[in-house]
Amino acid sequence: AAGVIQSPRHLIKEKRETATLKCYPIPRHDTVYWYQQGPGQDPQFLISFYEKMQSDKGSIPDRFSAQQFSDYHSELNMSSLELGDSALYFCASSYLLAGEPGDRVTQYFGPGTRLLVL
Amino acid sequence: AQTVTQSQPEMSVQEAETVTLSCTYDTSESDYYLFWYKQPPSRQMILVIRQEAYKQQNATENRFSVNFQKAAKSFSLKISDSQLGDAAMYFCAYRRSGGGADGLTFGKGTHLIIQP
Repeated sequence: AAGVIQSPRHLIKEKRETATLKCYPIPRHDTVYWYQQGPGQDPQFLISFYEKMQSDKGSIPDRFSAQQFSDYHSELNMSSLELGDSALYFCASSYLLAGEPGDRVTQYFGPGTRLLVL
Repeated sequence: AQTVTQSQPEMSVQEAETVTLSCTYDTSESDYYLFWYKQPPSRQMILVIRQEAYKQQNATENRFSVNFQKAAKSFSLKISDSQLGDAAMYFCAYRRSGGGADGLTFGKGTHLIIQP
């Protein structure tokens, strides 16, 4: 079965640089979520999009922005990178089945992008 | 704000035995969803099991089952016949009900070690 695709899988940046992470949801999934997982930490929710509109917002820094495009893929843009931004960034996707209440609920995670800021 | 607490940073179990991982949560909502995710060394987040708060019946997925105690706000995961492949970090997660794309709130995780 097709899964969530994230690119790149690994990224190394210098402080104050910019990074763009991409997420391609499972086919027919219309909702995308972004999470950040620091070393030894639990994943922290950043932001989500449904039908190309921002839906929920978590602890996303002002230096980060994201959007969802017409083909439902999403990009997380990170500017003025700091050492503390080094983390594993997950994208997850979900979908709604007609007549199935609550099926937007289960989130399927991609493999993550490992970002290292030097 | 909702909080999820996993009080066991690490658990160890012999292969083929049963282990229970604990999770408690705090919420003022009456309807919500609870999940257990598994994160093996590959760091992939894999859904193990899901429970709807409005359902009284405990969810079961093969060797994995939950004990959902709504009044106590407790959601434990039982793994029967533990296998070496079960070794991973296990995260309990909460999501409130509603039609939006709400993010998950995770606990700090429990590192499960399987002794051969």
